[in-house]
Amino acid sequence: QKEVEQNSGPLSVPEGAIASLNCTYSDRGSQSFFWYRQYSGKSPELIMFIYSNGDKEDGRFTAQLNKASQYVSLLIRDSQPSDSATYLCAVAPGYSTLTFGKGTMLLVSP
Amino acid sequence: DTGVSQNPRHKITKRGQNVTFRCDPISEHNRLYWYRQTLGQGPEFLTYFQNEAQLEKSRLLSDRFSAERPKGSFSTLEIQRTEQGDSAMYLCASSAQGSTDTQYFGPGTRLTVL
Repeated sequence: QKEVEQNSGPLSVPEGAIASLNCTYSDRGSQSFFWYRQYSGKSPELIMFIYSNGDKEDGRFTAQLNKASQYVSLLIRDSQPSDSATYLCAVAPGYSTLTFGKGTMLLVSP
Repeated sequence: DTGVSQNPRHKITKRGQNVTFRCDPISEHNRLYWYRQTLGQGPEFLTYFQNEAQLEKSRLLSDRFSAERPKGSFSTLEIQRTEQGDSAMYLCASSAQGSTDTQYFGPGTRLTVL
């Protein structure tokens, strides 16, 4: 059974700090990796996707992928209170359906 | 690009009633997905379409659930004889084949079964 594991949190960081969110997955055939942000009562919003080992940066966000360790992470630099949300990690074997983790709640305090 | 839309946004029904939800994908997207999300959980895959063909169904999808996408555009998800355990947020997502297959979600339909 394909599994995606995330620490449920909450992860609390002060404003301006770096938030580090982690995710592990069980299916070695996974090829696509996504991070979604979800505010309470809202639907998931895509933040980033990554396919290759290494780092991918987009503004304040950096996704990191290590396929050998079956590990993907999301770094948020200069965290803002508006970043407070649940962050969902999702993986897919390719062009197919997503398997989500339960999400990590991030709280950024002013 | 108006994004993925879903209707209704909220639905309250009594146990045993049938409900139907609609999803309109992003216009150029030929893939459409249905997920279900309960409190404290990530979205769980239910089914997906490529154009009008239903290519995959989750084992979570009981016989009471049926989905259609008759013209390869909008899709409907019907739940027959609703049960309290069906209470959840039903999410629709769409993606474009041949791209990174990045899925974009609609606002969801929140179902409450009394």
